[in-house]
Amino acid sequence: DVVLTQTPPTLSATIGQSVSISCRSSQSLLDSDGDTYLNWFLQRPGQSPQLLIYSVSNLESGVPNRFSGSGSETDFTLKISGVEAEDLGVYYCMQATHAPLTFGSGTKLEIK
Amino acid sequence: EVKLLESGGGLVQPGGSMRLSCAASGFTFTDFYMNWIRQPAGKAPEWLGFIRNKANGYTTEYNPSVKGRFTISRDDTQNMLYLQMNTLRAEDTATYYCARWTHTTVDYWGQGVMVTVSS
Repeated sequence: DVVLTQTPPTLSATIGQSVSISCRSSQSLLDSDGDTYLNWFLQRPGQSPQLLIYSVSNLESGVPNRFSGSGSETDFTLKISGVEAEDLGVYYCMQATHAPLTFGSGTKLEIK
Repeated sequence: EVKLLESGGGLVQPGGSMRLSCAASGFTFTDFYMNWIRQPAGKAPEWLGFIRNKANGYTTEYNPSVKGRFTISRDDTQNMLYLQMNTLRAEDTATYYCARWTHTTVDYWGQGVMVTVSS
């Protein structure tokens, strides 16, 4: 199975601060069709995960543009440009290039 | 509005069976592949498997971790998704989610249903 390693495991930020979360894959996530199926989710406390970014850098409809994704092959980053209070929760990367689909271990964002 | 509502969870003894259901609304259910994903308390989600739509033969794919014990099915006439779980173990204790698949990712998740396997 593909192992996704997220760092840091926890992150503490003030409102307005910009932060980044890393997701590193044990294998390249570039698919034979040319796409890279690396996605980002936010799970707020007590809620189910919400899709933020799909295919590395595509913003899901309705998601604020302070969220952005980048990367390629095995190294990916989620950036929040100007954290807001509603951004607290656990962020997960997920790969859908290789079966079985797998998730990272999560990064918990706390607001100072 | 896309809605996914799971039901059927609860307490089951080790070695027992349980069937979860997921009622879908707000989209054309027949067009989409559907997934089951679970999440033990305080841990990352684990993908269990998906079922393709009618156009792709209702075929299924499973995580090897549950293959042979879990079965995914659907009833397009009722917009329902199911997860049959057999020979349950303590490590199957988790919140179980149904989730819709686009052609690139899981986009919508249900609110989840808890399953506890304990004597």
